[in-house]
Amino acid sequence: GQNIDQPTEMTATEGAIVQINCTYQTSGFNGLFWYQQHAGEAPTFLSYNVLDGLEEKGRFSSFLSRSKGYSYLLLKELQMKDSASYLCAVMDSNYQLIWGAGTKLIIKP
Amino acid sequence: EAEVAQSPRYKITEKSQAVAFWCDPISGHATLYWYRQILGQGPELLVQFQDESVVDDSQLPKDRFSAERLKGVDSTLKIQPAELGDSAMYLCASSQGGMHTDTQYFGPGTRLTVL
Repeated sequence: GQNIDQPTEMTATEGAIVQINCTYQTSGFNGLFWYQQHAGEAPTFLSYNVLDGLEEKGRFSSFLSRSKGYSYLLLKELQMKDSASYLCAVMDSNYQLIWGAGTKLIIKP
Repeated sequence: EAEVAQSPRYKITEKSQAVAFWCDPISGHATLYWYRQILGQGPELLVQFQDESVVDDSQLPKDRFSAERLKGVDSTLKIQPAELGDSAMYLCASSQGGMHTDTQYFGPGTRLTVL
């Protein structure tokens, strides 16, 4: 079966750095997406990785290792507005997105 | 900035009633998706359209759910009759459709509560 694993919940302090991990086992791989979802709202696109390595976009960076079936989302200089769920999704060999359950990130002052 | 539009934003209905949700994708986006998301879980794909054609509806409970995109632009998802277990957020997303790996952009969703 296909599986995406993420921690259920994480807590971090405003101004700090947090790393949210995602491991996956899917039938094929055509890229990995990270989305941010505030409570009661729709997911918004953060990043897309298809090659190994780090992609940096402002305060957010995403890393991929295809050989290890592993990705992480790194958030720097945390702000209160970063409190949200972060969803990892992998596109499989049929170009279908397989979604993780999301990691709820709680930011404390 | 172009957005995916959905209505209504909230819907409360009684079980056995019919409900319908509407979605208007970003202009020019050929691919449209309907997802269902239960609190604390990731989105689950219900149906995918490429223009007016259904690409994947393998997870759509066809005994009670139907979806259409008649002119290849906006789309309607219907549930008849609604059941208590249908309470969830219904999300519509669209992508350009030129490449399979195109980013999906989501609308604000419809929160359905079945009493």
